[in-house]
Amino acid sequence: DAKTTQPNSMESNEEEPVHLPCNHSTISGTDYIHWYRQLPSQGPEYVIHGLTSNVNNRMASLAIAEDRKSSTLILHRATLRDAAVYYCILRDPVRTGGGADGLTFGKGTHLIIQP
Amino acid sequence: KAGVTQTPRYLIKTRGQQVTLSCSPISGHRSVSWYQQTPGQGLQFLFEYFSETQRNKGNFPGRFSGRQFSNSRSEMNVSTLELGDSALYLCASSLPIAGDNEQFFGPGTRLTVL
Repeated sequence: DAKTTQPNSMESNEEEPVHLPCNHSTISGTDYIHWYRQLPSQGPEYVIHGLTSNVNNRMASLAIAEDRKSSTLILHRATLRDAAVYYCILRDPVRTGGGADGLTFGKGTHLIIQP
Repeated sequence: KAGVTQTPRYLIKTRGQQVTLSCSPISGHRSVSWYQQTPGQGLQFLFEYFSETQRNKGNFPGRFSGRQFSNSRSEMNVSTLELGDSALYLCASSLPIAGDNEQFFGPGTRLTVL
């Protein structure tokens, strides 16, 4: 799997937007960009994913660079509950035969939210 | 819809023993994956089962094994436990739709090996 690079930690204030960057310069044409987060003492939780176009859902937005070598997870209005480790992961369902396969988690970004 | 459930939530074993962990996926999900999380190595993929067959495997020794039943429930087994096997073991289930493999994780089983 292609590698992703994320900052070790980021800090933000409650009720402000948060932009979490991810670099994936070796991304292949069929890699999907997935984001998961892990709240303290819980299993990881899916946040969002995309291939080429920007994506929005109730939790966040995903902005993907035109060359796809980087992406940004956007939390529009952070709350204390958003304090977690955020993982940016690439998945290639074509190469791995489709369906659900193992996710390769890196170190992620530890997001700290200040009240 | 009930989420992924894992039992037991906590387990204490001694070196040399074996352990079996259980995972019940979300209803309708046929793919189950297992992960190990430790402070040093982070989250690492163990293996994935689909339709009772192991489809993918991570880089773990043969002491780690698993199986899946016809109702998609899965178990993982670790034999001859070592101190380094102390970890949070997470199970995730998903619908095996190509290109959309959102995984739903359970709360994990915390294994302590003494």
